[in-house]
Amino acid sequence: EAGVAQSPRYKIIEKRQSVAFWCNPISGHATLYWYQQILGQGPKLLIQFQNNGVVDDSQLPKDRFSAERLKGVDSTLKIQPAKLEDSAVYLCASSLQATLNYGYTFGSGTRLTVV
Amino acid sequence: DAKTTQPTSMDCAEGRAANLPCNHSTISGNEYVYWYRQIHSQGPQYIIHGLKNNETNEMASLIITEDRKSSTLILPHATLRDTAVYYCIVRVGFGNEKLTFGTGTRLTIIP
Repeated sequence: EAGVAQSPRYKIIEKRQSVAFWCNPISGHATLYWYQQILGQGPKLLIQFQNNGVVDDSQLPKDRFSAERLKGVDSTLKIQPAKLEDSAVYLCASSLQATLNYGYTFGSGTRLTVV
Repeated sequence: DAKTTQPTSMDCAEGRAANLPCNHSTISGNEYVYWYRQIHSQGPQYIIHGLKNNETNEMASLIITEDRKSSTLILPHATLRDTAVYYCIVRVGFGNEKLTFGTGTRLTIIP
């Protein structure tokens, strides 16, 4: 099966600019996750979708981050305006269901550098 | 989610078995042990999970102690491609609970 697709692979922006990341999960996977991974740390969940509804966005900095999953398929994550501390890899993952007896499949991520 | 404790880094000779320990002394009865790994510049990859019985698949074996307070991931014949950060995670296997990653163990396979 095709994996989780993410684009772009790399992005460099100046602080206070806006940026958007795109994710296309595995076909049929109802659950989609966005993680942020700062260098040297493990991934941290930003938001979880079940179909097109938000299940958990408690760790999402809502003053600058937003995410949507229209039609319950692909998803976009946006940062506006970006700060230096947003430099990280943004990982998208999908799962058939939220229960973890179905493993998560991760994309390769988007590496964001804010200068 | 229960906290896990893993060594920061480990080395293993190529061709030998790599044994990665994980302590999860506060694990609850309904929490599973999951292992993921992250190769450089890639997203995490699922390896294996278990509740209380030992598990084996094509990638690895998972040994869980009888009291479930610790576990060991075993890569039976490590290759250079197994160099990665390995994450041990515990959580319930149902509901909407998320995967919470720690800092993991950086495993380096030595030629």
